[in-house]
Amino acid sequence: EVQLVESGGGLVQPGGSLRLSCAASGFTFSSYWMSWVRQAPGKGLEWVANIKQDGSEKYYVDSVKGRFTISRDNAKNSLYLQMNSLRAEDTAVYYCAREISELGIAKYYFDYWGQGTLVTVSS
Amino acid sequence: EIVMTQSPATLSVSPGERATLSCRASQSVSSNLAWYQQKPGQAPRLLIYGASTRATGIPARFSGSGSGTEFTLTISSLQSEDFAVYYCQQYNNWPRLTFGGGTKVEIK
Repeated sequence: EVQLVESGGGLVQPGGSLRLSCAASGFTFSSYWMSWVRQAPGKGLEWVANIKQDGSEKYYVDSVKGRFTISRDNAKNSLYLQMNSLRAEDTAVYYCAREISELGIAKYYFDYWGQGTLVTVSS
Repeated sequence: EIVMTQSPATLSVSPGERATLSCRASQSVSSNLAWYQQKPGQAPRLLIYGASTRATGIPARFSGSGSGTEFTLTISSLQSEDFAVYYCQQYNNWPRLTFGGGTKVEIK
């Protein structure tokens, strides 16, 4: 059974930092692109960042570029999101999600999601 | 950025009735569109990918259609467990993935 379990959320002051983790199990973690997706309270979904199987490619939504860093440790089956210079507008539930594509097409959507971890940026 | 617009924002439907949800893309996304269901306090769940292919374990009452810029999710006969928020997501412009704002399906 595929499982994704996020941790590391909490309350942080504006300008502060936080590191989120996602522990993966039930599948070959090193074979998949992985993403972070967030959802502000009462709002919709926003893709934040993703990372290639070997960590050699990373992409970010413009609003977090230069502040957030996605990484992974395939030996530990874990995905991370280092968040620096946090702002009030970063307040959200952060989901870890596995990316999948139709055979032969390098375009990916999400087939499994974790339960999320809440990040609150407030003084 | 490809902007995804969903309508209506809220849909009031009686159990057993049909629900039709719309999703429009600001430019063509071909058939690279997915639909997700999200219940309160839960993570999203994949329903449809490739605009019309049901994900594993998704009941046949859920169907997707469309291509290019106009897409529809139809729930043929609403069950109590189907009342939720539904999101469309384009992945044609991967890795720049974008979601619609969601449609809440509520009990009439």
